[in-house]
Amino acid sequence: QQQVKQSPQSLIVQKGGISIINCAYENTAFDYFPWYQQFPGKGPALLIAIRPDVSEKKEGRFTISFNKSAKQFSLHIMDSQPGDSATYFCAAKETSGSRLTFGEGTQLTVNP
Amino acid sequence: SQTIHQWPATLVQPVGSPLSLECTVEGTSNPNLYWYRQAAGRGLQLLFYSVGIGQISSEVPQNLSASRPQDRQFILSSKKLLLSDSGFYLCAWSVGRVGDNEQFFGPGTRLTVL
Repeated sequence: QQQVKQSPQSLIVQKGGISIINCAYENTAFDYFPWYQQFPGKGPALLIAIRPDVSEKKEGRFTISFNKSAKQFSLHIMDSQPGDSATYFCAAKETSGSRLTFGEGTQLTVNP
Repeated sequence: SQTIHQWPATLVQPVGSPLSLECTVEGTSNPNLYWYRQAAGRGLQLLFYSVGIGQISSEVPQNLSASRPQDRQFILSSKKLLLSDSGFYLCAWSVGRVGDNEQFFGPGTRLTVL
């Protein structure tokens, strides 16, 4: 059962453009939503995370937008750079647990 | 600072052979430990997680097993590998039972079963 749905599967953006990746969840017990970035052959690394008490969190060029009523959240990468080319995973976790439920991932390619 | 190690980095094994992948964490105590498998560079499938020594929870029925003989050591094993066991195996750790509980991933082991 897929509890976090991520789209698109792949995304191609020109340098300087905005990359947008979307995730939707079903479990209302989720209350922590991280995004991970993974480069080929490497383990994923935490990029940015949000809790549902805020609707937006920004760190540098990366912003999470969160819509609790719609049970959706998204990652925006402003001024996308070729170095941002990687696979991005959204995830979600219940307060009472230690397990993360991951989306299927989005392969982002930023063309120079 | 905390670090996580996995070895080997790459492994090529014949079908039917045994498997042992090791993960160790340094710089923290009583971590939660996780084994994930990633096929075709996409999708993280949680295989096992452990909240303490000897405590293993299995997420997916398969021919793999996990053990935690020491606080900061997590081992993934198989008695007989299948072709479908090929993939990128990732170990991760986190601390705490509630809250944000950020997971930190190791460098991974690329397993090819021939």
